Amino acid sequence: EAGVTQFPSHSVIEKGQTVTLRCDPISGHDNLYWYRRVMGKEIKFLLHFVKESKQDESGMPNNRFLAERTGGTYSTLKVQPAELEDSGVYFCASSHGRVNTGELFFGEGSRLTVL
Amino acid sequence: AQSVAQPEDQVNVAEGNPLTVKCTYSVSGNPYLFWYVQYPNRGLQFLLKYITGDNLVKGSYGFEAEFNKSQTSFHLKKPSALVSDSALYFCAVRDGRLNDMRFGAGTRLTVKP
Repeated sequence: EAGVTQFPSHSVIEKGQTVTLRCDPISGHDNLYWYRRVMGKEIKFLLHFVKESKQDESGMPNNRFLAERTGGTYSTLKVQPAELEDSGVYFCASSHGRVNTGELFFGEGSRLTVL
Repeated sequence: AQSVAQPEDQVNVAEGNPLTVKCTYSVSGNPYLFWYVQYPNRGLQFLLKYITGDNLVKGSYGFEAEFNKSQTSFHLKKPSALVSDSALYFCAVRDGRLNDMRFGAGTRLTVKP
């Protein structure tokens, strides 16, 4: 069974440019999460999809961030325009169904560097 | 809202010695508690979890953690550390009513030969 995959693994862009990160969850996992870790700090929750619906987007920092999950399969996270403080590692995770006692399965992360 | 604190940025132990990585939490409802490990250039890997039942839970690679409700803690332990245990460890909590998970800042464990 394939795990959670993320693309790209590393992206270097200039301030003001646009970047789109992609996450493919484990097949059949309804729940998809985006998290971000800025250097040395906690892994911060960004948002949670259940299938194609945004269940909780309270962690999205501002309107420069747009997440989508059309069709309830893969998800994209777009940052437009990127700012220096957006640099960090963006993790995607998925889990199955409505059971909230289960662990999350993480991808390897997409490292974003904004210059 | 739920939150997690990992008071130590760095823990250093000698190989063969016991290790403890500390975690305290705050939730409104019943806590579901998790430990994850991150090796260099890898995603987070699940180690163990506490949902209900015995306060001492055992997980992968010989790790265990003890849930202490009165101290709102969930410290990760291992009786005898290995050099290969060196990694970044994250504690996480879910409020039993909610489906999302909150993480701590992580603790870097270094085990020296």
